[in-house]
Amino acid sequence: GAVVSQHPSRVICKSGTSVKIECRSLDFQATTMFWYRQFPKQSLMLMATSNEGSKATYEQGVEKDKFLINHASLTLSTLTVTSAHPEDSSFYICSAPLGPQSGGYTFGSGTRLTVV
Amino acid sequence: AQSVTQPDIHITVSEGASLELRCNYSYGATPYLFWYVQSPGQGLQLLLKYFSGDTLVQGIKGFEAEFKRSQSSFNLRKPSVHWSDAAEYFCAVSGGYNKLIFGAGTRLAVHP
Repeated sequence: GAVVSQHPSRVICKSGTSVKIECRSLDFQATTMFWYRQFPKQSLMLMATSNEGSKATYEQGVEKDKFLINHASLTLSTLTVTSAHPEDSSFYICSAPLGPQSGGYTFGSGTRLTVV
Repeated sequence: AQSVTQPDIHITVSEGASLELRCNYSYGATPYLFWYVQSPGQGLQLLLKYFSGDTLVQGIKGFEAEFKRSQSSFNLRKPSVHWSDAAEYFCAVSGGYNKLIFGAGTRLAVHP
């Protein structure tokens, strides 16, 4: 089936540094990638939608200059958390739509970001 | 606006008892509905989905859900809960290829 490989699975970084999270579609082409953030014991909140070759669309309240999304190819979408702070510590998950005939959506396994 | 409501934040059941998790949605077009399960520190696993057709949907691990358009509901059920079912359950809605909107989740605890 359609698989999205997300790396790293865990990362610890110092406050003020940047962290890049990658999501690769392994056996299909992902025109669109959704990026979610999940705080402990909370739901998944959509941060942004990336489309290959165009600018990402950010949800209200998400700082586009802080969460840089790049979707330069049909198999790779990246999320860079710039100047990370402890409040950015969260679980980040990417997801690609497959369409109703193919089962809906495929998800990466998530990245646990801890900013110290 | 699109939204998903899961009224129950926490549910505790005894092992072997039946389970129903509630989900109500608001969506302007034909909804595509999903139930996912998440164990602590893990990613999401799809339990079942509804796109069209038979309104009673069978999923993995013995779960089923029924789509009721008149009630805008998509409740998840299981006739006999196992201790391993303890997890967080999320209901979600989309329009197909559109962004997936998640409910707040229901945390299920199972007593032996």
